[in-house]
Amino acid sequence: EDQVTQSPEALRLQEGESSSLNCSYTVSGLRGLFWYRQDPGKGPEFLFTLYSAGEEKEKERLKATLTKKESFLHITAPKPEDSATYLCAARVSNSGYALNFGKGTSLLVTP
Amino acid sequence: GAVVSQHPSRVICKSGTSVKIECRSLDFQATTMFWYRQFPKQSLMLMATSNEGSKATYEQGVEKDKFLINHASLTLSTLTVTSAHPEDSSFYICSATIIPGQGAQETQYFGPGTRLLVL
Repeated sequence: EDQVTQSPEALRLQEGESSSLNCSYTVSGLRGLFWYRQDPGKGPEFLFTLYSAGEEKEKERLKATLTKKESFLHITAPKPEDSATYLCAARVSNSGYALNFGKGTSLLVTP
Repeated sequence: GAVVSQHPSRVICKSGTSVKIECRSLDFQATTMFWYRQFPKQSLMLMATSNEGSKATYEQGVEKDKFLINHASLTLSTLTVTSAHPEDSSFYICSATIIPGQGAQETQYFGPGTRLLVL
């Protein structure tokens, strides 16, 4: 069974304190690993798509990396406005373009 | 970037009534849209894949007679929750994928969600 597991479930950082969120996946035929940000009561906001091990993508304070078993979302010098739930999702070969989501990491950045 | 809209953003209804939720792709055509459901502090669970001009494909455990999906055009999919009950109260989110040309990044865009409360 395809599984996407995120850790930690919740993370509290001080402003400027860098850290990483983990997304491990056990899927048959990965076709893409997606990262989203979700604010309370809103739909997910697209961040990155990664396709192959070794790939990296960056956007402002965020950098996503991918290995054959997991993906990391590195947050460098976070700010309070980075507080949100971060979701990762896998697209697999037998699901068309539908996504299989992890449960998310709730990030709180305090001033 | 591409925009997906949903209407209404929130709805409160009585048990036994039906509720229709619209999902529109505003600046692109989407032959396939997806409907997800999200319970509090849970992740998104795929309910069904909506295909323009054909029947929707439902995930295991999702009642197709209860959650009616119609994808009448390349920019509109609707989800109707029939005979809604309190346990159907949830956050319903649609999405659409832009399938890129060669070398471009595949992106699945999500709507803002519809909060359904059934009393």
